[in-house]
Amino acid sequence: QKEVEQDPGPLSVPEGAIVSLNCTYSNSAFQYFMWYRQYSRKGPELLMYTYSSGNKEDGRFTAQVDKSSKYISLFIRDSQPSDSATYLCAMRESSASKIIFGSGTRLSIRP
Amino acid sequence: SAVISQKPSRDICQRGTSLTIQCQVDSQVTMMFWYRQQPGQSLTLIATANQGSEATYESGFVIDKFPISRPNLTFSTLTVSNMSPEDSSIYLCSVIRGEQYFGPGTRLTVT
Repeated sequence: QKEVEQDPGPLSVPEGAIVSLNCTYSNSAFQYFMWYRQYSRKGPELLMYTYSSGNKEDGRFTAQVDKSSKYISLFIRDSQPSDSATYLCAMRESSASKIIFGSGTRLSIRP
Repeated sequence: SAVISQKPSRDICQRGTSLTIQCQVDSQVTMMFWYRQQPGQSLTLIATANQGSEATYESGFVIDKFPISRPNLTFSTLTVSNMSPEDSSIYLCSVIRGEQYFGPGTRLTVT
């Protein structure tokens, strides 16, 4: 079993829809949770960063962490064609430990 | 933030040859990281490079196959030696400055 599981997609939704991206994990020691966005032929860029459980909102993006279920989500409201990218979840145990990445979900927003 | 550049951006190489990938950061960092991103798979850490010491390799990666240099605090190289088609992948350089930042990647195809 992988430490971090992420549906690879592809996920295609119409412009303006709400997008939900999810990851599950097995290591209960994970404390830091990140979402990266990776455009084609580019390196991953940090989108959202959450410590422990709870929600965090940044503009159209909301990150949720449910440690009891070992489940994290990224919601994108009012999705735009420019949101089309691969989204990778990532997590680590402490600020000094190795980051474990999900395999990424490829998202396409149809105009 | 951190600005990271990599050279080359892509290359097609023949089996049995070696390729050296360069990574340049806009200012000094203690640790630099090298990742591999295979198609449809998560980012996998190859090694951590500290200036002035031997790189630390993750399980499954060895120095003979992936020698790393770190001559100063803004530069590192990763060599992929004696390449086979299984080495076809994107290779990413990364640094931590508060959060983790990635270079644009080097897309390697081995024929």
